[in-house]
Amino acid sequence: EAGVAQSPRYKIIEKRQSVAFWCNPISGHATLYWYQQILGQGPKLLIQFQNNGVVDDSQLPKDRFSAERLKGVDSTLKIQPAKLEDSAVYLCASSSPLRPDTGELFFGEGSRLTVL
Amino acid sequence: RKEVEQDPGPFNVPEGATVAFNCTYSNSASQSFFWYRQDCRKEPKLLMSVYSSGNEDGRFTAQLNRASQYISLLIRDSKLSDSATYLCVALRRALTFGSGTRLQVQP
Repeated sequence: EAGVAQSPRYKIIEKRQSVAFWCNPISGHATLYWYQQILGQGPKLLIQFQNNGVVDDSQLPKDRFSAERLKGVDSTLKIQPAKLEDSAVYLCASSSPLRPDTGELFFGEGSRLTVL
Repeated sequence: RKEVEQDPGPFNVPEGATVAFNCTYSNSASQSFFWYRQDCRKEPKLLMSVYSSGNEDGRFTAQLNRASQYISLLIRDSKLSDSATYLCVALRRALTFGSGTRLQVQP
C-alpha cells in the first residue's frame, strides 16, 4: 500500500516569498491533516479536512496560510508571504474515519521549509 | 499552558536499562491517548495506545491515570534501536502532540 506522498521534500526561500506544498493521502483515507513541526517541538495541527470540507482550522494563521483539498483527495498548503518563524517541517497525514480506539495517523515524510 | 506537556530530556541510559517517561494533559475532555515514536528527521509513527487498565506490548508498557491527567510509558531492557523521540498524544477532535522526550540508549 502506498503511503502518504508529499512534495517538495526541501524548500529554501527568502522571507516574503511564497511557497506551496502538495500532499497525496493514502487511497481511501477521508481525513487529511496538515501539521507544522518546528525544530525541538511536537507537531502542531494547522488544518484538518474531512473529504473536501474543513473540520478544524483554528490554528491556521489565515493571514498568510491557506489550504485546500479539491475533490477530497490531494491537498495543497500555501504560505504567502513567508516569515522567518515559518521555518519548519510541514507534515501531511491521513487516516480513515478516526475512531477513538485507533489514533493512528499515517504521516508523509514531510516538507522541510527554510526561510532566510 | 500547553495541552500536553512532557519532559524534553534527553534521557541517556545504558542498554538493558528500564526507563520511564511521563506526560500530563490539561484538557479533561480528551478522549484517548497514545504514544508516538519519531526517529531523527523522520515522520512520527504510532507506538501504542494508552488505557486506564494499562497496555503492554513486549518491552513497552503504557498507563493512563485520568484522575491525575497523567500518562506514562515504561521501556524495559532498552535497546540501541529504542533511541528516538517519544511523543505523548491526546485525542479530542484531532491529535494534539506533546513536544516529545528524547531517549538515547548507549552501548
